[in-house]
Amino acid sequence: DAGVIQSPRHEVTEMGQEVTLRCKPISGHDYLFWYRQTMMRGLELLIYFNNNVPIDDSGMPEDRFSAKMPNASFSTLKIQPSEPRDSAVYFCASRQTRGTMNGAFFGQGTRLTVV
Amino acid sequence: DAKTTQPPSMDCAEGRAANLPCNHSTISGNEYVYWYRQIHSQGPQYIIHGLKNNETNEMASLIITEDRKSSTLILPHATLRDTAVYYCIVRVAYKETSGSRLTFGEGTQLTVNP
Repeated sequence: DAGVIQSPRHEVTEMGQEVTLRCKPISGHDYLFWYRQTMMRGLELLIYFNNNVPIDDSGMPEDRFSAKMPNASFSTLKIQPSEPRDSAVYFCASRQTRGTMNGAFFGQGTRLTVV
Repeated sequence: DAKTTQPPSMDCAEGRAANLPCNHSTISGNEYVYWYRQIHSQGPQYIIHGLKNNETNEMASLIITEDRKSSTLILPHATLRDTAVYYCIVRVAYKETSGSRLTFGEGTQLTVNP
């Protein structure tokens, strides 16, 4: 398996523009997580899904952020409108729950810069 | 989830064992200890986890004290590629309704020196 795949790897956009980050989890994994990482705040959990259903979105910073998982193999994180303070690395991770509670697998991240 | 405390940084000589400590004195009976690491500019990588017994896999060993209030991650023969930030996370046991979440603290920056 290719692992968790995120796109794009890098995104530079102007303030006010809409940004869409994409994630393809590992096949067979039923949990999907979106994290944001900055120097100031470290790794923050934004939202996670189980079987395509959002379970906990308490980490989503504002209404400008939204996430969807239309099927088991695809998820998006959208920021509209984007602001400079949204600049961060966004990670997607997935995990399966069969068997023991094994760890989550992370993608390489999307580095977002809002200017 | 219980809070964890880790030293901010550690150094280790290449080829030697790296022992990374973690305190989780408020851990409850159904909480697991997880270790992840993050190499610069990459996504976090799962290393190992345990409940109360010591665990070993191809990457590392996890030693959990009998009272479960602390643990140590051991990299038996550290290499330069093991330089990374290591995160110790305590997480509640999986529940169908609540799912699971990983809350990362600040971790330990391990630097392996040649």
